[in-house]
Amino acid sequence: GQNIDQPTEMTATEGAIVQINCTYQTSGFNGLFWYQQHAGEAPTFLSYNVLDGLEEKGRFSSFLSRSKGYSYLLLKELQMKDSASYLCAVRAPATGAGSYQLTFGKGTKLSVIP
Amino acid sequence: DTEVTQTPKHLVMGMTNKKSLKCEQHMGHRAMYWYKQKAKKPPELMFVYSYEKLSINESVPSRFSPECPNSSLLNLHLHALQPEDSALYLCASSQTGSGGFYEQYFGPGTRLTVT
Repeated sequence: GQNIDQPTEMTATEGAIVQINCTYQTSGFNGLFWYQQHAGEAPTFLSYNVLDGLEEKGRFSSFLSRSKGYSYLLLKELQMKDSASYLCAVRAPATGAGSYQLTFGKGTKLSVIP
Repeated sequence: DTEVTQTPKHLVMGMTNKKSLKCEQHMGHRAMYWYKQKAKKPPELMFVYSYEKLSINESVPSRFSPECPNSSLLNLHLHALQPEDSALYLCASSQTGSGGFYEQYFGPGTRLTVT
């Protein structure tokens, strides 16, 4: 089975740094994704980790520890437009040949305040 | 072209209607997905097609019937839906295979309301 946990809500101040944690227990692992989703819109890709360590992409960074089943998304220099839900998703092999499925956590709603 | 398109954007249907949702991508992706998303909830996987064959059906009721006519198109046929089926239906596509980078690209979704 797949179990993915992340905090339900977080609040942070404009210009600050926020870290959103994600822990997972899954049968099979082939990478961890972070998506951003604004209300009423489709998810958009932020980052992907398949090896341990930190991946940096501008104001966003993501970290993975496979031995601990743990990832975090780090957002720097927060802007008001960063207010959104942040979804942690684990990719694992599925039954079809060469196919994979993505299981999402419940999402963390981030509110950025002035 | 990194776009996944979905039609229609909005759909209102009665419980006795038959309708179809359509999804299209021209990125050469051989895996395509249907997700259902209720308000304030994460997307829930419904179906996965890999090389035009259904590889995952997440115990979805038979009133939802997927179809993958070719590698670029994915349909979701709807019949005798219930009001609780009202949700945002998201289509996604990705490369498939072992190793590498397999980001799922999402379409904008179809907002479905069942009356």
